[in-house]
Amino acid sequence: AQTVTQSQPEMSVQEAETVTLSCTYDTSESDYYLFWYKQPPSRQMILVIRQEAYKQQNATENRFSVNFQKAAKSFSLKISDSQLGDAAMYFCAYRSQLYNNNDMRFGAGTRLTVKP
Amino acid sequence: SAVISQKPSRDICQRGTSLTIQCQVDSQVTMMFWYRQQPGQSLTLIATANQGSEATYESGFVIDKFPISRPNLTFSTLTVSNMSPEDSSIYLCSAGRLQGDYGYTFGSGTRLTVV
Repeated sequence: AQTVTQSQPEMSVQEAETVTLSCTYDTSESDYYLFWYKQPPSRQMILVIRQEAYKQQNATENRFSVNFQKAAKSFSLKISDSQLGDAAMYFCAYRSQLYNNNDMRFGAGTRLTVKP
Repeated sequence: SAVISQKPSRDICQRGTSLTIQCQVDSQVTMMFWYRQQPGQSLTLIATANQGSEATYESGFVIDKFPISRPNLTFSTLTVSNMSPEDSSIYLCSAGRLQGDYGYTFGSGTRLTVV
């Protein structure tokens, strides 16, 4: 079974600075999807960025980018120019491409604090 | 991506009773899932809601305790039966399409407190 590990329970960043959240995963599959979700206190899960395993190019969405290292099974999230609104729980997630295994598996989460 | 309406947003229930949570999606989706989340913790998959057939449950979750219905491609319910204080948690539904790299959309969650 696939597992997702986030080794940083909490991270802190100064406003306007850059922070990187770590994620590793374990799988025997070659094709899959990886995601970062943000969950603010409102509980709403918000998709931040996605990456397809077959794509070598790292995904980028405005201030958010990933460092995807397939061989190392690593998928870190970089937040540039951090803003107060970035404060939230961040979850790394894995989704298989297999037809009968399409649920999403989540890491334990990293709580990000942004200091003004 | 799909938009999900989840109801109720919160409830306080007596032990031994049951609560049904509803999720309505604004478009037809292939996949629907139910998760449980303790405050400050990660999401644990309860089951995959299959349209027109019995849900597929994860280890540790059983149909008698968490019956799930999915009568069509846009609607699903999760019932938490014979509740105890240990069932106090946040319950979230999620939905998405089978094909493509789209992340799944989530409902806003139901905060359940059992007293």
